[in-house]
Amino acid sequence: AQSVAQPEDQVNVAEGNPLTVKCTYSVSGNPYLFWYVQYPNRGLQFLLKYITGDNLVKGSYGFEAEFNKSQTSFHLKKPSALVSDSALYFCAVRDRIYNQGGKLIFGQGTELSVKP
Amino acid sequence: NAGVTQTPKFQVLKTGQSMTLQCAQDMNHEYMSWYRQDPGMGLRLIHYSVGAGITDQGEVPNGYNVSRSTTEDFPLRLLSAAPSQTSVYFCASSFGSSYNEQFFGPGTRLTVL
Repeated sequence: AQSVAQPEDQVNVAEGNPLTVKCTYSVSGNPYLFWYVQYPNRGLQFLLKYITGDNLVKGSYGFEAEFNKSQTSFHLKKPSALVSDSALYFCAVRDRIYNQGGKLIFGQGTELSVKP
Repeated sequence: NAGVTQTPKFQVLKTGQSMTLQCAQDMNHEYMSWYRQDPGMGLRLIHYSVGAGITDQGEVPNGYNVSRSTTEDFPLRLLSAAPSQTSVYFCASSFGSSYNEQFFGPGTRLTVL
């Protein structure tokens, strides 16, 4: 069965420092991988995705993520954190076999807190 | 474009009552889905649809029904509400291919007493 793990419930970072939010996955075959962000009392917003090709994917708001097939990881990174980056971040995986419905499976989320 | 819209934003029900959560999208997306979000559990898929007239169950379908008579609308029905269904519900849509990102609605916060 497909699964996604975000090992840290919370990540605390000082403004200006680099940040990493970790994600590992367990699927059969090669999945599509996504990161979403949720601000308080809002729906989820798409940040970036990995489909194929370059293992380093760049997305919105200066975020990037590195796909590592051997470690089955897709960690979210940003070189310099902003206080406004404070939010709940979700990693998600989707099966490439569309006739199975392309269901999106989410991790449990990581709360990112960036302090001034 | 309005994107994905959900109504109502908030709802309080008594145990045993039924209701329908509305979801609509104006992006001509084939794929639509319903999730529930509970603290520490991420989002869990309730039901999904790959096109008008086609629906299927997700991870946690019990107690919920869906139908998809048009491309735009994907209502979620609670047949007999239970306190365990207290949650925040999100509707999402995307173009058909699995590599396309999903667009989420603002959510409905449901409390069942």
